[in-house]
Amino acid sequence: GENVEQHPSTLSVQEGDSAVIKCTYSDSASNYFPWYKQELGKGPQLIIDIRSNVGEKKDQRIAVTLNKTAKHFSLHITETQPEDSAVYFCAASKAGEYGNKLVFGAGTILRVKS
Amino acid sequence: GAVVSQHPSRVICKSGTSVKIECRSLDFQATTMFWYRQFPKQSLMLMATSNEGSKATYEQGVEKDKFLINHASLTLSTLTVTSAHPEDSSFYICSARGGPRGYTFGSGTRLTVV
Repeated sequence: GENVEQHPSTLSVQEGDSAVIKCTYSDSASNYFPWYKQELGKGPQLIIDIRSNVGEKKDQRIAVTLNKTAKHFSLHITETQPEDSAVYFCAASKAGEYGNKLVFGAGTILRVKS
Repeated sequence: GAVVSQHPSRVICKSGTSVKIECRSLDFQATTMFWYRQFPKQSLMLMATSNEGSKATYEQGVEKDKFLINHASLTLSTLTVTSAHPEDSSFYICSARGGPRGYTFGSGTRLTVV
C-alpha cells in the first residue's frame, strides 16, 4: 500500500522567513496530494492541494510543488507569521481505490518565532 | 461550504461504558466517511471507511466489534466505542468525502476513559 514520509518532524523559523516541508510517496498511482494544518485540539484544515496533472499551485503565501517522477511534493510558506505555528500534515490518495482513503505523513510541528 | 460537524467535542466516561460520537455533513451529501484516531504528537491513523447503507471497512488491527460504525444516511455517520477502557482514550476525528474540498474533517472528539 501507499506510504508517505514527511520531513522535518519539527521546524523553527523566524517570523518573516520561509518554511519548507517535504513529503515523499511510494505509490506512483497516487494522484491527489493535500496539505492540512492542525491546531491543538482541533481537526485538520485543508490549506492547499494539488493533483498529479499539475506541477505547482500557489495561494497567496502558500505554494505546493509536485515532482511525479521523483514521487515527492513540498509545501512552501513564505513570509511566515506566528499564527502559522501549528502541525502540518501531507497526505496522498489515488482514484479508484476503495473509498479513496488518504494516507498521511507523520506531521511537522512548525514554530514561528516572533 | 463543506462543513462537517462532530459531536461531542469532549467526553469523559467510566470504564466499561459505551460512547457514541456523531459526524454530520451539514451542507453536502457524503457517501463515504472516514474515522481516524490520533494519539498525542502523532499522525492520524485511519480506523475505518464507511459507506452509506453498507458495512464499514475496517483497517487491519482495528476491532470492528469494539468500534461500531453506522452510516445510515448520506449526512450522518456514528462511531460507538463499546465497553471503553482507559487505553481507548484518544482523539477521534471523522472526515467526509464530498463537497468542493474533496475531504472535509470534523473538529474531533477528545475521549477520556476513567
